[in-house]
Amino acid sequence: EVQLVESGGGFVQPGGSLRLSCAASGFTFSSYTMNWVRQAPGKGLEWVSYISSGGGTIYYADSVKGRFTISRDNAKNSLYLQMNSLRAEDTAVYYCARAKGSDCWGQGTLVTVSS
Amino acid sequence: EIVLTQSPGTLSLSPGERATLSCRASQGVSGSYLAWYQQKPGQAPRLLIYDASSRATGIPDRFSGSGSGTDFTLTINRLEPEDFAVYYCQQYGTSPFTFGPGTKVDIK
Repeated sequence: EVQLVESGGGFVQPGGSLRLSCAASGFTFSSYTMNWVRQAPGKGLEWVSYISSGGGTIYYADSVKGRFTISRDNAKNSLYLQMNSLRAEDTAVYYCARAKGSDCWGQGTLVTVSS
Repeated sequence: EIVLTQSPGTLSLSPGERATLSCRASQGVSGSYLAWYQQKPGQAPRLLIYDASSRATGIPDRFSGSGSGTDFTLTINRLEPEDFAVYYCQQYGTSPFTFGPGTKVDIK
């Protein structure tokens, strides 16, 4: 079964950091591009970041550029999102999603940024 | 950045009716790399259509996508009770891979 499981969310103060992880199983992780997408409470979907299958191509939304870093470890079938200088507006459920035209999503992990 | 506009914001229909959802891009979507997702409360999005008109695995044929350039449409024929949800379009041809604001299809 194809599966993505996010972890690492939680409560953090403004200016703090968190590292999200996404564990992939049931498919050849190293063959797929990956994305992070977030959804603020009661709001729509916002694409956050993309990484190519080998990690050589990376894109970010302007709202997170310079603060977030996407990475992957194909040997560990894992995707990561390092989030620094967090702001209240980063509060959201964060999903990892497989491929452009994302055909597989995790269940999401909630990040709450508040003082 | 390509801005996607979805209309209408809310569509109130009865089971059995046809739903027509629009997604308009501020500039041409490269390669017709446009997807449609369905999302229900408390759930992750589900891919329905990719590359503007290709149905994802396991998606019923009452869902169809069309369009190119800047204008795209998702059509749901014969609405089933489980189809009442929020629908998002996303372009993944040019970074940033933007989403539209969504169309809510609710029961009339």
